Amino acid sequence: QVRLQESGPGLLKPSQTLSLMCTVSGDSISSGGYHWSWIRQRRGGGLEWIGHISHSGNTYNSPSLKSRLTISVDTSKNEFFLSLTSMTAADTAMYFCARGRLWGGSYYWDSWGQGTLVTVSS
Amino acid sequence: QSVLTQPPSVSGAPGQRVTISCTGTSSNIGAGYDVHWYQQVPGTAPKLLIYGNNNRPSGVPDRFSGSRSGTSASLAITGLQAEDEADYYCQANDISLNAPFGGGTKLTVL
Repeated sequence: QVRLQESGPGLLKPSQTLSLMCTVSGDSISSGGYHWSWIRQRRGGGLEWIGHISHSGNTYNSPSLKSRLTISVDTSKNEFFLSLTSMTAADTAMYFCARGRLWGGSYYWDSWGQGTLVTVSS
Repeated sequence: QSVLTQPPSVSGAPGQRVTISCTGTSSNIGAGYDVHWYQQVPGTAPKLLIYGNNNRPSGVPDRFSGSRSGTSASLAITGLQAEDEADYYCQANDISLNAPFGGGTKLTVL
């Protein structure tokens, strides 16, 4: 059974860059067939897709975040990463990594990490 | 505000049937993109409930079913149980290369 685990700093100052890592176990990123994704959820709010990466390194980013966003992968370590620059209080949220599949033109996410809370505050 | 619109809340008594609607546009559901549904108990990660409009992953009870028609989709829950109390989100791709979620619906079991 696949497991995903996020890690990264819980607290950032405004304008800093967020760097998160997702460690995957029970499945190999390099095996293909899935997209490896980041999704966030602000407190009391809904879910927001951030972006995802394929095993070959092709990335697909949310139009609203793509100017600040980099998603990368290290298949040798079975890890993928998120980098989000110029963080503001509006980026304060729970960040989830997830495994995604394309179905009927839409991606869906069948396995999720437990999430990591990121707070942006001076 | 999400491009996929859900009612903020629904409720039902144990054993009853409830439905949660998800209204999109011609840029997402109406463009033929499949709809997926997630269940989230507060404080936990979302769980895939329905994929591809009406397919249940292994382990999801057949009390849960989905449908899609035109620019809308629905999630139906029959034989409501206390453990079904959670937030429910629909999600579909969009021609703007986005993958929006609905705003979420809080289900209360009375």
